[in-house]
Amino acid sequence: DGGITQSPKYLFRKEGQNVTLSCEQNLNHDAMYWYRQDPGQGLRLIYYSQIVNDFQKGDIAEGYSVSREKKESFPLTVTSAQKNPTAFYLCASSSAGIPPYGYTFGSGTRLTVV
Amino acid sequence: EDQVTQSPEALRLQEGESSSLNCSYTVSGLRGLFWYRQDPGKGPEFLFTLYSAGEEKEKERLKATLTKKESFLHITAPKPEDSATYLCAVLPERGQNFVFGPGTRLSVLP
Repeated sequence: DGGITQSPKYLFRKEGQNVTLSCEQNLNHDAMYWYRQDPGQGLRLIYYSQIVNDFQKGDIAEGYSVSREKKESFPLTVTSAQKNPTAFYLCASSSAGIPPYGYTFGSGTRLTVV
Repeated sequence: EDQVTQSPEALRLQEGESSSLNCSYTVSGLRGLFWYRQDPGKGPEFLFTLYSAGEEKEKERLKATLTKKESFLHITAPKPEDSATYLCAVLPERGQNFVFGPGTRLSVLP
């Protein structure tokens, strides 16, 4: 079955450490996204990519980095510059087209600073 | 600035007690409004897309409607398995990306 796989499900980060969250999709979608979800807030966009080897900053990109070397993969690195990284991180993908289509989301990674 | 608000923040219903969730939006123009369901600790699951005022979509006990300023998600005779957080998102005409509301947390008690 097609879908999006995020790993790991839970991740713990020490102070000053960089960590990488994995996101893989087999839906043949061109666009991929990273969102952060905090209690009581809407999903906030971190980075997005419409095509391979190209990506753009979202609303809260500071302290994060991404790469898009393959269509299927869009890993997110949470760097030590991100001062409040504890959150639920969601990866999504969508196909391009008109009318606009909804996202397919992964099951999320919960990141905790220890 | 494009904004999406949802009300109520949380809603408790008895099984079989019908109700509605509200999504109000302020955007320069609307390309689409999307409803998602999210279970605890999981990613959102797509439910409906609405593109123009007056449009309605139905799926089992859920019915979504759209006006020029808001959307309602009507839940008829809900069951405990309908308990989840329901997210609303809009895609503005001039934007590339969705604007999400904070969600409504629905609990249906047996």
